[in-house]
Amino acid sequence: GAVVSQHPSRVICKSGTSVKIECRSLDFQATTMFWYRQFPKQSLMLMATSNEGSKATYEQGVEKDKFLINHASLTLSTLTVTSAHPEDSSFYICSARDSTASTDTQYFGPGTRLTVL
Amino acid sequence: LAKTTQPISMDSYEGQEVNITCSHNNIATNDYITWYQQFPSQGPRFIIQGYKTKVTNEVASLFIPADRKSSTLSLPRVSLSDTAVYYCLVGARDDKIIFGKGTRLHILP
Repeated sequence: GAVVSQHPSRVICKSGTSVKIECRSLDFQATTMFWYRQFPKQSLMLMATSNEGSKATYEQGVEKDKFLINHASLTLSTLTVTSAHPEDSSFYICSARDSTASTDTQYFGPGTRLTVL
Repeated sequence: LAKTTQPISMDSYEGQEVNITCSHNNIATNDYITWYQQFPSQGPRFIIQGYKTKVTNEVASLFIPADRKSSTLSLPRVSLSDTAVYYCLVGARDDKIIFGKGTRLHILP
């Protein structure tokens, strides 16, 4: 199946700093990517939809100025957590939609564990 | 987006067949049914997708009755490594995926 990578897999940062997470579709082009956040023992929560060449669409309650999303190419989307605080510590997961597949399936990255001290 | 309902948790034993049923009474005509598996600290992994009747791949089967108001994921001969959370998702091609709580499957030796 299609492969989606994320980098870094784990990051620890100090409160107030910014962290960038990359999401890449390795063997297909993705005009649409999604960013999720997952807290322990909970389900994935959709944060935003990232569209190549246009602004991201954020879910209700997600601050667009805090979680900056850039979809620079058909294979790369980045999520920047600005001025991170301990409450931003979470597991961040991206997914990419393979629109060329007959079933238009979404494939997920391995996730990035963010810890803000 | 059709809402889905699935059991919170299930237990089974190694070597058994496990069936997880998902209810989606408000499924729309152009909605597909997709199942994902998630291990702790990993991203969800695509298992299977279907629209109607039966779909089978190398890891699972998906049974969808004619009214499409429910679906059943069937895992043949499970092993300890199948312990995970399984998510049933319903939506059309351009829909964003909204995850429900999923089913925590625990396989016992």
